[in-house]
Amino acid sequence: DIQMTQSPSTLSAFVGDRVTITCRASQSISNWLAWYQQKPGTAPKLLIYDASSLESGVPSRFSGSGSGTEFTLTISSLQPDDFATYYCLQCNSYSWTFGQGTKVEIK
Amino acid sequence: QVQLVESGGGVVQPGGSLRLSCVASGFTFRTYSIHWVRQAPGKGLEWVAFIRFDGSKKYYADSVKGRFTISRENSKNTVNLQMNNLRADDTAIYFCVRDRFERFFDYWGQGTLVTVSS
Repeated sequence: DIQMTQSPSTLSAFVGDRVTITCRASQSISNWLAWYQQKPGTAPKLLIYDASSLESGVPSRFSGSGSGTEFTLTISSLQPDDFATYYCLQCNSYSWTFGQGTKVEIK
Repeated sequence: QVQLVESGGGVVQPGGSLRLSCVASGFTFRTYSIHWVRQAPGKGLEWVAFIRFDGSKKYYADSVKGRFTISRENSKNTVNLQMNNLRADDTAIYFCVRDRFERFFDYWGQGTLVTVSS
């Protein structure tokens, strides 16, 4: 099974900061990677799919990049609504794996 | 709008069984594959099971294989998850999730809590 290593596990930042979260796959997954945002007590929300495609309705300050084994989620200017936990998700051979999550906290 | 509503969660003893249901609305259910994803209290997300739009393919995480069974009734816009031989580490919120392209998940239900405890 493919393992996803997400870093950092926690990130402290100011409103307005540029923030980057990384996911590394244990083997190549092409561009089959998605990113989710989850706030406490709610279901995750899809932000990015196919590594770099922005889901409809998601603010353009969110962007994704990468292919193969290394992927990044970038928030260009952190907003108060963005403080949450972020997860990456990979799909390979009908087995899906999430990263461990990155909690973005207010500094 | 797309809605997925889970039900059937509750408290069950170790070794017991529970059946979760997910009723979908707001989209053409019979053309979409569905997953179950779970989240233990305070922990991350774990994919549990997948069923193709027509029920022809089913896949499970190793942690539940042989104990959980996913099924669907397209006439009722419903997906079920039969969970047998439950263990303490099955305690989690279980989310019903819509699939897109058999690659990722787009819409999520609000989840139903399963607690396995004596």
